[in-house]
Amino acid sequence: DIVMTQSPDSLTVSLGERATINCKSSQSVLDSSDNKNYLAWYQQKPGQPPQLLIYWASTRESGVPDRFSGSGSGTDFTLSISSLQAEDVAAYSCQQYYNTPWTFGQGTKVEIK
Amino acid sequence: EVQLVQSGAEVKKPGESLKISCKGSGYNFITYWIVWVRQMPGKGLEWMGIIYPADSDTRYSPSFQGQVSFSADKSLNTAYLQWSSLKASDTAIYYCARQTAYYDLLTADFRGSYGMDVWGQGTTVTVSS
Repeated sequence: DIVMTQSPDSLTVSLGERATINCKSSQSVLDSSDNKNYLAWYQQKPGQPPQLLIYWASTRESGVPDRFSGSGSGTDFTLSISSLQAEDVAAYSCQQYYNTPWTFGQGTKVEIK
Repeated sequence: EVQLVQSGAEVKKPGESLKISCKGSGYNFITYWIVWVRQMPGKGLEWMGIIYPADSDTRYSPSFQGQVSFSADKSLNTAYLQWSSLKASDTAIYYCARQTAYYDLLTADFRGSYGMDVWGQGTTVTVSS
């Protein structure tokens, strides 16, 4: 199985400041035949189901604010929130869909300082 | 509106059986895989496996193989997750979601496409004596 490891486990950021979450996979999730990284990011607010933010490592889902961005390739990925808003308090999880089982990272909780 | 609507919360005793459902609407149900995801209390997301409603093709995570079973009734646009004998450790919220995927002949494995863009609201399963 591909192991996904996120860091940090939790993050406290002031309103308007940048939040950065890292995700590392135990093997590459880049398919050289299509040059796509098979990685997604999800946001889960308390009491709600997860919501897709980013797919193919860097493509924002329709309707997702542009303060959210994804980057990285191969085994190292980053989710950035450029200017944290109160409504961004949530848990964020990366997930690879390159090989089954399509494993998730353990999640990162983002809170307001 | 595209949505997945899951069946309601369940309270069961250890050893009992259970089948929960996930009904799709607003899209062509048979053209997307249904993904099942577990979230134990206070924990992260776990991928349980996938089912393709068009032909009921399935792939289970090794962690869940033999512990649960997936099924689908394409005439009802509904997917199901079933247990034959529940344990206390099955207490969790179970989500269904949709995703496109394809079978990669080179690796003999399934690869997802895009991401899980529509999720059900979750079904809380509590197993307690």
